[in-house]
Amino acid sequence: QQQVKQSPQSLIVQKGGISIINCAYENTAFDYFPWYQQFPGKGPALLIAIRPDVSEKKEGRFTISFNKSAKQFSLHIMDSQPGDSATYFCAASRRSQGNLIFGKGTKLSVKP
Amino acid sequence: DGGITQSPKYLFRKEGQNVTLSCEQNLNHDAMYWYRQDPGQGLRLIYYSQIVNDFQKGDIAEGYSVSREKKESFPLTVTSAQKNPTAFYLCASSSFDREKNGYTFGSGTRLTVV
Repeated sequence: QQQVKQSPQSLIVQKGGISIINCAYENTAFDYFPWYQQFPGKGPALLIAIRPDVSEKKEGRFTISFNKSAKQFSLHIMDSQPGDSATYFCAASRRSQGNLIFGKGTKLSVKP
Repeated sequence: DGGITQSPKYLFRKEGQNVTLSCEQNLNHDAMYWYRQDPGQGLRLIYYSQIVNDFQKGDIAEGYSVSREKKESFPLTVTSAQKNPTAFYLCASSSFDREKNGYTFGSGTRLTVV
């Protein structure tokens, strides 16, 4: 079964620190790797996404690092803020077809 | 503004009842999806539809049914056969080229059995 394994399940970071969430996938045909952010009682929202032809993508304080040979990708949140406290989901799919396969999520708490 | 509207936000179901959750999108997206979210379980796919009048079962379709009579609408019925329906239900939509905008999710419906 196709899977995306996400870790850690929960993460506590001090304000100003770096939050790092990791994901690993199995299907080498995957070519689209998004991250979603979900606040309590809301639906997930697309945060940032990467294709496998680049090793890193940065948008503001959020960076995706991608390691194709290891079949791993990670989300780095620089200068973490209390407002970043949310659940983060990684996902993977074939861009042109197929459904997104989601990781089980990481609950991030940023302490002031 | 384009988006996905789920209703109601909260829904209470008695034992043995069928209930229908509404999902409407005005994004002109072809594909629509229903997910169930339980604490620690992530997002589990119930049903999805790539085009009107066609839909496929996801990983946990038992006890659920859907229809896709219009491009904009993808209602989910939670039947009495679903033994543990209490959960947060999320509807999503996407265009075929997901890199353009990924999945767009609604704000969810929280269903509780009373």
